[in-house]
Amino acid sequence: DQQVKQNSPSLSVQEGRISILNCDYTNSMFDYFLWYKKYPAEGPTFLISISSIKDKNEDGRFTVFLNKSAKHLSLHIVPSQPGDSAVYFCAASGSGTYKYIFGTGTRLKVLA
Amino acid sequence: DTAVSQTPKYLVTQMGNDKSIKCEQNLGHDTMYWYKQDSKKFLKIMFSYNNKELIINETVPNRFSPKSPDKAHLNLHINSLELGDSAVYFCASSQDWGGSYEKLFFGSGTQLSVL
Repeated sequence: DQQVKQNSPSLSVQEGRISILNCDYTNSMFDYFLWYKKYPAEGPTFLISISSIKDKNEDGRFTVFLNKSAKHLSLHIVPSQPGDSAVYFCAASGSGTYKYIFGTGTRLKVLA
Repeated sequence: DTAVSQTPKYLVTQMGNDKSIKCEQNLGHDTMYWYKQDSKKFLKIMFSYNNKELIINETVPNRFSPKSPDKAHLNLHINSLELGDSAVYFCASSQDWGGSYEKLFFGSGTQLSVL
């Protein structure tokens, strides 16, 4: 039962352009979403989060958009940099779930 | 200083053996977790401890036993290892047991290979 889906396993983007990573969820009880970034041989590190009371949250070059009606969120990275090359995981949780459900990740490659 | 550290980083062992993975966090967090990333790249929670008390125990075989001697440590012991246990195991911690809204801090993972 894959409640959080990242349907694009990989994405390549030119340096300086926008990277858009997508995430879909099925559980309408989810109300808190996070993005994690993972480099090889390292653990995931927190990037940005959004609560369901918002539809957008920005932190520097990173913006997360939430479309509750479509059960969809996206992470925008502008401008993309080679150091952004990593695997990005989307995670979701909700009151009563007491845990995060992670997607399978999208590998982003930013080409110099 | 690494915030969440786990050892060993790599573990190669034979089927049937018993092994342990250790985890320590120096963030002063109250809650620690074990996650498993399988071959399909799913990151799934296995266990969660808050102040040394078990609060989440997913449907994990009894061969897996977590132990928390204090709130800064959460070790994972695995008995009678099977081929299907091969995965990357991540330890994580969070400030408190806020349920669903705590930010997780992960260790760098332990790659377990069962031959």
